[in-house]
Amino acid sequence: DAMVIQNPRYQVTQFGKPVTLSCSQTLNHNVMYWYQQKSSQAPKLLFHYYDKDFNNEADTPDNFQSRRPNTSFCFLDIRSPGLGDAAMYLCATGTGGASNEKLFFGSGTQLSVL
Amino acid sequence: EDQVTQSPEALRLQEGESSSLNCSYTVSGLRGLFWYRQDPGKGPEFLFTLYSAGEEKEKERLKATLTKKESFLHITAPKPEDSATYLCAVHGGSNYKLTFGKGTLLTVNP
Repeated sequence: DAMVIQNPRYQVTQFGKPVTLSCSQTLNHNVMYWYQQKSSQAPKLLFHYYDKDFNNEADTPDNFQSRRPNTSFCFLDIRSPGLGDAAMYLCATGTGGASNEKLFFGSGTQLSVL
Repeated sequence: EDQVTQSPEALRLQEGESSSLNCSYTVSGLRGLFWYRQDPGKGPEFLFTLYSAGEEKEKERLKATLTKKESFLHITAPKPEDSATYLCAVHGGSNYKLTFGKGTLLTVNP
């Protein structure tokens, strides 16, 4: 059974049109992460939540926002998508242990920007 | 800043031809080194965690090893179903961040 679920699997949006990607988890993990992965590139951390505490990476553009209304759900909002934002967006969860932070990933949302 | 470099970028093997993938890293205070497998269009799937130099982990045809500067993923007698991108990541410092390498795309031909 899928433990980290991302919807939709594929999302097509227009340049500048806001888009929201969703992630849900059944693991009851404290930490939820959003990674951006472009073709043949390393996954790049955008931000993460430890419970309700939001932690933004210094180089994450302001165009990217996130919400975590409860333990199970987390959303990624892209306010004005540009062509360079086309990528796979990966949601992951972790227990938040001080060491050995094993992550559980969803299947990802492939975002296309036209 | 933590850094991870994986080599080679791509590797083609014949079925049964054993080989190794390399992950070199620099990190302040290694808390864990992780190997993930990623199939096309999917999220990474956890394989191993290694915590200290000299540690080894095995799973089917895969064996991961760790030194103070690098990790190897050894693939013994690979099969076509082992074809995937293998990602290495490190967890260092005092935060929860995993830093990933770009991965090695492994193709195993029948």
